[in-house]
Amino acid sequence: EVQLLESGGGLVQRGGSLRLSCAASGFTFSSSDMSWVRQAPGKGLEWVSSISGGDGTTDYADTVKGRFTISRDSFKNTLYLQMNSLRADDTAVYYCAKNWWYGFEYWGRGTLVTVSS
Amino acid sequence: QTVVTQEPSFSVSLGGTVTLTCGLSSGSVSTTYFPSWYQQTPGQAPRTLIYKTNIRSSGVPDRFSGSILGNKAALTITGAQADDECDYYCVLYMGSGLSGVFGGGTKLTVV
Repeated sequence: EVQLLESGGGLVQRGGSLRLSCAASGFTFSSSDMSWVRQAPGKGLEWVSSISGGDGTTDYADTVKGRFTISRDSFKNTLYLQMNSLRADDTAVYYCAKNWWYGFEYWGRGTLVTVSS
Repeated sequence: QTVVTQEPSFSVSLGGTVTLTCGLSSGSVSTTYFPSWYQQTPGQAPRTLIYKTNIRSSGVPDRFSGSILGNKAALTITGAQADDECDYYCVLYMGSGLSGVFGGGTKLTVV
């Protein structure tokens, strides 16, 4: 059974930093493309960042480029999102997802990040 | 910048059939955009329904089907049930990067 379990969310002040983690199991993590997707309160889904399973190529939405860094540890089967210079509009539930055919196959339950101003 | 468009809201009668669409602000959707569809009830994580235009994800009932209709991707729900009332999102791949772009979502009401 595939499981994706996010952690690391919480309350942080504007301008602060936070690192999210996503523990993966039930599939071959090392060769899987992975993503972070977020949802602000009352809003739709927004793709944030992806990382390839092969050479570790990364990709970011313009809204987070230069502030967020996606990475992975294939020994720990864990995906990360380092978030710096956080802004109020980064407040959202952050979901970890396994990519599939340029979309998303499996989802975690999400972790809430609240940026206070 | 091309935007992925969805109807903001739609309603369907209980037991009826509804087709939700996913288009582009400029241009036509084809299978090369690898359309995918997701269902989300409030407070829950999204659930993958369809990928690669018309392939149902594991465990998804055949009441849900994907296609290309005209210049848009489409999600058709037949025999609508009360618990189909929720939000539906599509994703289209724009030809670069590792992932596609989300549409704004459609809120489906079952009446």
